Formats: sequence, structure tokens, C-alpha cells
Amino acid sequence: GENVEQHPSTLSVQEGDSAVIKCTYSDSASNYFPWYKQELGKRPQLIIDIRSNVGEKKDQRIAVTLNKTAKHFSLHITETQPEDSAVYFCAASHTGNQFYFGTGTSLTVIP
Amino acid sequence: NAGVTQTPKFQVLKTGQSMTLQCAQDMNHNSMYWYRQDPGMGLRLIYYSASEGTTDKGEVPNGYNVSRLNKREFSLRLESAAPSQTSVYFCASSEVWDGAYGYTFGSGTRLTVV
Repeated sequence: GENVEQHPSTLSVQEGDSAVIKCTYSDSASNYFPWYKQELGKRPQLIIDIRSNVGEKKDQRIAVTLNKTAKHFSLHITETQPEDSAVYFCAASHTGNQFYFGTGTSLTVIP
Repeated sequence: NAGVTQTPKFQVLKTGQSMTLQCAQDMNHNSMYWYRQDPGMGLRLIYYSASEGTTDKGEVPNGYNVSRLNKREFSLRLESAAPSQTSVYFCASSEVWDGAYGYTFGSGTRLTVV
């Protein structure tokens, strides 16, 4: 099956700085890569996703890049704000029904 | 529009007891899922249902059973709870069969087995 690794497990940044979270996957058939944000005690919520036919996607301060050759994808958050503090999960899927999640990155934005 | 509703929110069971976690969605989604979330291990798929009338095992199905009661409802049953099943359980649904549009998660059930 697919194996998704996510780094770092914890990340602290100063408000206004950028944050980058990286994930690697093992199955070259994976073609869909969503990112989820989970605030403490809340449900995971989709923040951005990318398909394998696209190299980069942006949504305001959030961007995701995908390198299919190297089998890795990254989440970039610019101009971080305290409300960005949360746990972020990456995932990979090729069947659509079997999502493999990374182990999460706890991001803390220091005011 | 409630989205995905899970009940109960919290539950404490004794080892060997049984219980059913309920999940309902009102978005007319075809696919529904049950995940468990454990510290340091991310979200792991227990079972899923690609459409009404079908269910399939995920990554960690042992000790669980599911029922897709109708298009709206997907329940998860623990027949004989074990401490290893202490976890936070999330139900989710997606709007197309291949799930390419991402999941909508329920608010979770925090289960403790003592």
C-alpha cells in the first residue's frame, strides 16, 4: 500500500514568516493530494488540494507544490498569522476511496 | 445544513462491552468513511462505503464492523471493545465516488476503553 511520510512533526515560526511542510509518498499511482487543517478539538478541514497533472496551486496565502518525479509535495503558508496555528495533515490517494494520511505537523505561530 | 453528524461525542466503555457509533450526512454524498485518529499516527481508514449497499475494509478493520443503512447513514460497531480501540473516531463523506473533492468530516467521537 501507499506510505506517506510528513515532516516536520512540529514547527514554530514567528508571525509574518513563512512555513513549509513536506510530504513524500511511495506509490507512483497516487494522483490526488489534499491538505487538511485540524484545530485543537475540531474536525480536519480541507484547505487545499492538488492533482497529479498540476505542479503548483495557490489560494491566497496557501500554496501546494507537487514533484511527481521525486514523489513529494509541500504546503507553503506565507505571512503566517496566529490563527494558522493548528495540526496540518497531508494525504495521498489513487483510488479516491483509500486516502493515506501523513502523521501530521503541529504548527505554532508565535505572535 | 448540518453536513456530517456523529453521535455520541464522548463515550467510555469497559473492556468487552459493545457499542455502535452513528454517522449521518445530509449532503447526498455517495461515499462514506470511518477513520480513527491516534497521537503520532495520523488518520487511518477503518472501513468505507463507496455507495449505498457496499462496504470495504480499509487499513485497520480488525475489531470493527460497519453497516451502510441507507445513503445517509453509516454506522461503526465495536462488538467487544479493547483498550487498543481507545481513539478519536471520525466519520466522513465525499461527493463523488473517487473522493477527489476531499472529505467532509464529522466532529468526531472520543472513545475511551478501560
